[in-house]
Amino acid sequence: QKEVEQNSGPLSVPEGAIASLNCTYSDRGSQSFFWYRQYSGKSPELIMFIYSNGDKEDGRFTAQLNKASQYVSLLIRDSQPSDSATYLCAVNSDEKLTFGTGTRLTIIP
Amino acid sequence: NAGVTQTPKFQVLKTGQSMTLQCAQDMNHNSMYWYRQDPGMGLRLIYYSASEGTTDKGEVPNGYNVSRLNKREFSLRLESAAPSQTSVYFCASSERAIYGYTFGSGTRLTVV
Repeated sequence: QKEVEQNSGPLSVPEGAIASLNCTYSDRGSQSFFWYRQYSGKSPELIMFIYSNGDKEDGRFTAQLNKASQYVSLLIRDSQPSDSATYLCAVNSDEKLTFGTGTRLTIIP
Repeated sequence: NAGVTQTPKFQVLKTGQSMTLQCAQDMNHNSMYWYRQDPGMGLRLIYYSASEGTTDKGEVPNGYNVSRLNKREFSLRLESAAPSQTSVYFCASSERAIYGYTFGSGTRLTVV
């Protein structure tokens, strides 16, 4: 059973601070890694993907990948109230995505 | 620019009734997927279709059937609904999973 683990939270972060979300995965053959944002009652929306070890930055978001430790993280800088959502980590292997259960993030004004 | 379209958005069924959830994508994607999302369980794969004419079981296929009608459409059928199938169902598509998925807006199904 390929597994993706996330801390379910809730994670509360003051507005303007950095939010740090973490994810571990079990399948060493995984090829690509994703972060989806899901607002309550809505569908998941892709916000970041990463394929190679290291950091990938897109605006206020940075994804970090460490394949040796089987660890993926998402940093959100200058957190805004609109960032309050559940963040799903997903890992691709065998042409399918396996999702973690998500971390609920609340940004406190 | 529709992306992935799911119908219906909401449905209430009685135990034992049958229904089909419809999904269509206009992005010319090869692969399509059906997931269910339950509180505390995350998104779990029910069935997927890597290409037109093929379907495969995912993690939780029992009680469901699928049809890949053509490249655009992938339907999910519940033959005899059970309360355990109360969930939010998402359809997704991708060119290849390595690039990630685009999700539909979901179907909220309640079986009473």
